[in-house]
Amino acid sequence: SQQGEEDPQALSIQEGENATMNCSYKTSINNLQWYRQNSGRGLVHLILIRSNEREKHSGRLRVTLDTSKKSSSLLITASRAADTASYFCATRRNQAGTALIFGKGTTLSVSS
Amino acid sequence: TAGITQAPTSQILAAGRSMTLRCTQDMRHNAMYWYRQDLGLGLRLIHYSNTAGTTGKGEVPDGYSVSRANTDDFPLTLASAVPSQTSVYFCASSPESTGELFFGEGSRLTVL
Repeated sequence: SQQGEEDPQALSIQEGENATMNCSYKTSINNLQWYRQNSGRGLVHLILIRSNEREKHSGRLRVTLDTSKKSSSLLITASRAADTASYFCATRRNQAGTALIFGKGTTLSVSS
Repeated sequence: TAGITQAPTSQILAAGRSMTLRCTQDMRHNAMYWYRQDLGLGLRLIHYSNTAGTTGKGEVPDGYSVSRANTDDFPLTLASAVPSQTSVYFCASSPESTGELFFGEGSRLTVL
């Protein structure tokens, strides 16, 4: 079964608004990553946050991690139409040699 | 820079036939992965390889096999395709087993 679950499944906002997506997971992790996928394309890595970090920024992206609640959030500020995509969280368990396990994703639609 | 190259881009296959999806990377990454993506189910890990010469099973390995004879190539074989293997298949690589993944553009397989 999947390790991470994103919430909401779908999100529609207007340009300029902020978009927040949440991810919950089940077991202890080494790190948590967020990816973006444009329609018909491969996934692109956005940001990685390690289990000993609580917050990380990259441009208009802000990621938080709460290991006590086994949850993470991705905030996209001042969204643009070009941010329209699916966003996935993925977790790396705290066990040597394990692979990245993805959630089902949040589909974000930003209208102009 | 090519990154990850997957072939074919798209294929229609009769049930019972065999098929090999090719994946080649030019980044000299140690770890490589195969995922399948299905609507509503997100990405699920099929097989992975942390280094040349080793492979491991993911969440949904049944009906698939892989080999990792060298660093660059990680082919995925369906020995006898079934309609439930209709999916989009993504190959990915990572410089280390704990880092970010780099994805190919996917191979869309339809089994009739």
